[in-house]
Amino acid sequence: GEDVEQSLFLSVREGDSSVINCTYTDSSSTYLYWYKQEPGAGLQLLTYIFSNMDMKQDQRLTVLLNKKDKHLSLRIADTQTGDSAIYFCAETPGGSYIPTFGRGTSLIVHP
Amino acid sequence: DVKVTQSSRYLVKRTGEKVFLECVQDMDHENMFWYRQDPGLGLRLIYFSYDVKMKEKGDIPEGYSVSREKKERFSLILESASTNQTSMYLCASHSAGGPYEQFFGPGTRLTVL
Repeated sequence: GEDVEQSLFLSVREGDSSVINCTYTDSSSTYLYWYKQEPGAGLQLLTYIFSNMDMKQDQRLTVLLNKKDKHLSLRIADTQTGDSAIYFCAETPGGSYIPTFGRGTSLIVHP
Repeated sequence: DVKVTQSSRYLVKRTGEKVFLECVQDMDHENMFWYRQDPGLGLRLIYFSYDVKMKEKGDIPEGYSVSREKKERFSLILESASTNQTSMYLCASHSAGGPYEQFFGPGTRLTVL
């Protein structure tokens, strides 16, 4: 069955780059996503990548997709304290519109 | 500004009470979802709906039911609340076509005493 895995915590220093990793099992995934959840709020889509792409860049965010290894990563350049949040990886299997979410990675940014 | 709203941010109920959680979206989305979020467990899908009066069970439907009488409104019902239903409940919606970006409400933190 489908499964999305990511580490639970990541701690970085302000100004450094953060890399959050995710692995998934469904090789038929069509879309892969990164969502951000700030304290006390719902999730908000940060970015998504279509499965026929291997990279997407949007300002400080870079998404890398390795379909062979079923590995997705999110790099945040020049990480700021405002980036502290929970980041969820998600994927939509082929033929479905129901996303499967990982358990979320808590990013802690130290001044 | 697109929006998903939930009727309450915080709710405290007693064991055995019937609880209604309401969700409204203003984006004319066909698909609506209810999740619960617990620390370390991420998001778990309770129910979803792809059209008015249509509903499908998610991964953890036991103890819950849903209602969708209008396209913009999706209600989650706890028929007889129990302490193990204390959780954060998130509503989401997305349109029928890809990329299936989900828009989330702010969540309802439910405590069952």
